[in-house]
Amino acid sequence: DGGITQSPKYLFRKEGQNVTLSCEQNLNHDAMYWYRQDPGQGLRLIYYSQIVNDFQKGDIAEGYSVSREKKESFPLTVTSAQKNPTAFYLCASTFDWPAGAYNEQFFGPGTRLTVL
Amino acid sequence: AQSVTQLDSQVPVFEEAPVELRCNYSSSVSVYLFWYVQYPNQGLQLLLKYLSGSTLVKGINGFEAEFNKSQTSFHLRKPSVHISDTAEYFCAVSVRSASKIIFGSGTRLSIRP
Repeated sequence: DGGITQSPKYLFRKEGQNVTLSCEQNLNHDAMYWYRQDPGQGLRLIYYSQIVNDFQKGDIAEGYSVSREKKESFPLTVTSAQKNPTAFYLCASTFDWPAGAYNEQFFGPGTRLTVL
Repeated sequence: AQSVTQLDSQVPVFEEAPVELRCNYSSSVSVYLFWYVQYPNQGLQLLLKYLSGSTLVKGINGFEAEFNKSQTSFHLRKPSVHISDTAEYFCAVSVRSASKIIFGSGTRLSIRP
């Protein structure tokens, strides 16, 4: 079955640690996205990538980093510079090029990160 | 720049009653509009989308939405809700030149038996 997988489902981090959240898709989508979800704030875009080896900052990129070495993978690292990382993180993908604005975004099941 | 506002953070409704979830957007150019649903502890799933053409859009699970350009609205409706509709609903907007979409803050729909 085609889809997006995220792992782990739950992640606990000690202060000062970097952690990496995994996102893999087998939909052959060009574009991938990372969102952060906090109660009452909807989804906020962290980073997105429209093509392999290229990515752009979203609205809240500080304290996060990403890579896009393969089309199907878009891991997110939450660094120690992110002061309030406890949140639900969602990965999404979509057909993008040549006109991606009207394409449906497919979402993974999410990773809940808690800082201890 | 585009923006989207969901006017109600929570909407309680009795089972089998009708429901309307409100969404207003702001944009200086033509928009694409979406409604997504998120069940507890899951990712989002597309309910319906408006790209062009007929202003009444039908989606999955009996939901529909109407695009109103003059009022810059895209309200979601269902004539009779079920317990299984309990979820959070997100309105989203995009434009032709964009490579990302903007999500509203969400409306939590709670169904009372």
